[in-house]
Amino acid sequence: DAKTTQPPSMDCAEGRAANLPCNHSTISGNEYVYWYRQIHSQGPQYIIHGLKNNETNEMASLIITEDRKSSTLILPHATLRDTAVYYCIVRISRNSGNTPLVFGKGTRLSVIA
Amino acid sequence: DSGVTQTPKHLITATGQRVTLRCSPRSGDLSVYWYQQSLDQGLQFLIQYYNGEERAKGNILERFSAQQFPDLHSELNLSSLELGDSALYFCASSGGSGQAGANVLTFGAGSRLTVL
Repeated sequence: DAKTTQPPSMDCAEGRAANLPCNHSTISGNEYVYWYRQIHSQGPQYIIHGLKNNETNEMASLIITEDRKSSTLILPHATLRDTAVYYCIVRISRNSGNTPLVFGKGTRLSVIA
Repeated sequence: DSGVTQTPKHLITATGQRVTLRCSPRSGDLSVYWYQQSLDQGLQFLIQYYNGEERAKGNILERFSAQQFPDLHSELNLSSLELGDSALYFCASSGGSGQAGANVLTFGAGSRLTVL
């Protein structure tokens, strides 16, 4: 699976958009980009995933560059409850019985009032 | 409530003891994963089961073992406990509808183990 690089930490003002970058320059054509987050001491939470096209759901938007070598997770209106560690994971998706997701160090996002 | 149930939520025990952590996956999910997270450390993958069979092994110690039962619940057994085994243990499940969905893990709230 392709390796990802994320900044270790970021700050964001409450109410502003939080843009979390992820580099995955060795991504291959059939690898998806997944984002999870972990609020302190809670279980990680799935946010969004994508292959090529930009994706949006009720939590966030995922922007993937045309060459797919990087992506950005956007939280449009960050709140204090969005303070968490955000993980970008690149993974080939296989059929049932996947091997596990490997979590790196992620980006610690602090939303400031 | 994520749909993944872990018990107990908290557990305090002594060195040398043995404990069992239990996980009930989300309804319909066939895969169960166990992760360990020590204080201020990242999530370490321990082991995965799929429909009762071991599918992948990570950095799981020989003192640890797991199984998945016919009803798909899973247990993680930790024996000869050491101080360093104190951690949060998370269970996750997946079933996947479609290829990409198979990588969507749903995590439980975790079991916090303290070894004194």
